[in-house]
Amino acid sequence: DAKTTQPPSMDCAEGRAANLPCNHSTISGNEYVYWYRQIHSQGPQYIIHGLKNNETNEMASLIITEDRKSSTLILPHATLRDTAVYYCIGENNNAGNMLTFGGGTRLMVKP
Amino acid sequence: NAGVTQTPKFQVLKTGQSMTLQCAQDMNHEYMSWYRQDPGMGLRLIHYSVGAGITDQGEVPNGYNVSRSTTEDFPLRLLSAAPSQTSVYFCASRQDISNQPQHFGDGTRLSIL
Repeated sequence: DAKTTQPPSMDCAEGRAANLPCNHSTISGNEYVYWYRQIHSQGPQYIIHGLKNNETNEMASLIITEDRKSSTLILPHATLRDTAVYYCIGENNNAGNMLTFGGGTRLMVKP
Repeated sequence: NAGVTQTPKFQVLKTGQSMTLQCAQDMNHEYMSWYRQDPGMGLRLIHYSVGAGITDQGEVPNGYNVSRSTTEDFPLRLLSAAPSQTSVYFCASRQDISNQPQHFGDGTRLSIL
């Protein structure tokens, strides 16, 4: 799995967009980029994933650079309930369940 | 939908005791895995399984055993508990086709005295 690098913490004002960056310069051609988040000590929650193209779902948007060495998770209108640790992970779906979690980014949404 | 169910939610053990953490999923997922999370850290893979009868070691397997006799269940056994195994344990599952996310349980908080 690709090693990912994320800033340890970020703040965001409630109602504004939260842009969370991730570097994954060692990602291989068949590795998807997955984003999960963990609220308090709950189990990680899947947010979104992508391979090459930008993706959007009801929770967030994922922007992947053309060289696939970095990506940005966008929460368009952050709420207080989005306060969590966000993990960016390179996951090779052909390698079983191997997930390598780094330290993630602790996002604090402030009123 | 129940998803991934872990029991118990909390457990306190004495050093040297053994116990089994239970994990069950009702989504007919082939892939299942166990992670541990220490305070302020990310998750580390302990063991995983790609189907019934098949298990393999992850990053930190020492002190733990697993088995996969059915698709639904993937128990984690602590053979002789040690204080270093105090952690939060998460079980996850996913489909055995590409491009599918993992589903996590709510965790078991384990303290070894």
